[in-house]
Amino acid sequence: DQQVKQNSPSLSVQEGRISILNCDYTNSMFDYFLWYKKYPAEGPTFLISISSIKDKNEDGRFTVFLNKSAKHLSLHIVPSQPGDSAVYFCAASDRGSRLTFGEGTQLTVNP
Amino acid sequence: GAVVSQHPSRVICKSGTSVKIECRSLDFQATTMFWYRQFPKQSLMLMATSNEGSKATYEQGVEKDKFLINHASLTLSTLTVTSAHPEDSSFYICSARDPALSGAEAFFGQGTRLTVV
Repeated sequence: DQQVKQNSPSLSVQEGRISILNCDYTNSMFDYFLWYKKYPAEGPTFLISISSIKDKNEDGRFTVFLNKSAKHLSLHIVPSQPGDSAVYFCAASDRGSRLTFGEGTQLTVNP
Repeated sequence: GAVVSQHPSRVICKSGTSVKIECRSLDFQATTMFWYRQFPKQSLMLMATSNEGSKATYEQGVEKDKFLINHASLTLSTLTVTSAHPEDSSFYICSARDPALSGAEAFFGQGTRLTVV
């Protein structure tokens, strides 16, 4: 049972444009959502998070939106840079316990 | 953010031998650490939750006798892959949460690439 799903395995955008990465979840008990960035052969790096009591959190070029009724969250990166090319995982937590990860989306930002 | 260090970054071992992977929280004390496994082009799969001073909690389908976890101090958890076989070859990653932070952010080690030959 895949409780966190990232339906797009890959996304390609032009430098300077907006990257939108999507994530859907099924468990209504999730109360905290996170995005991680991962390069090959490295551990994930925390990017940004959002509590279920909010619908938006912004940090520099990164904004996460949460739509609880749709059980959907998205990560917006604007403007996108070539250095943003990596695999992005969304993750969800139930009352601060373990994280459940999506399958990841490979983002490629073309110069 | 908090720093989690994992060692070694890569290891090659012979089939039948055991391999120990260390995970350390460098600037905070972690009562709980997590061990994940990632297959190529797949998501991170939680293997077990390591609890300081008590037994680890294993996810369904993970053999506790094969993947031994020890969390003897607030800054160190170890994962030992016993009697390793080629199918155990994978990327193993640990993470820890800083209890001083209000959110659920977990910080990850660099990962260990295990190759069993």
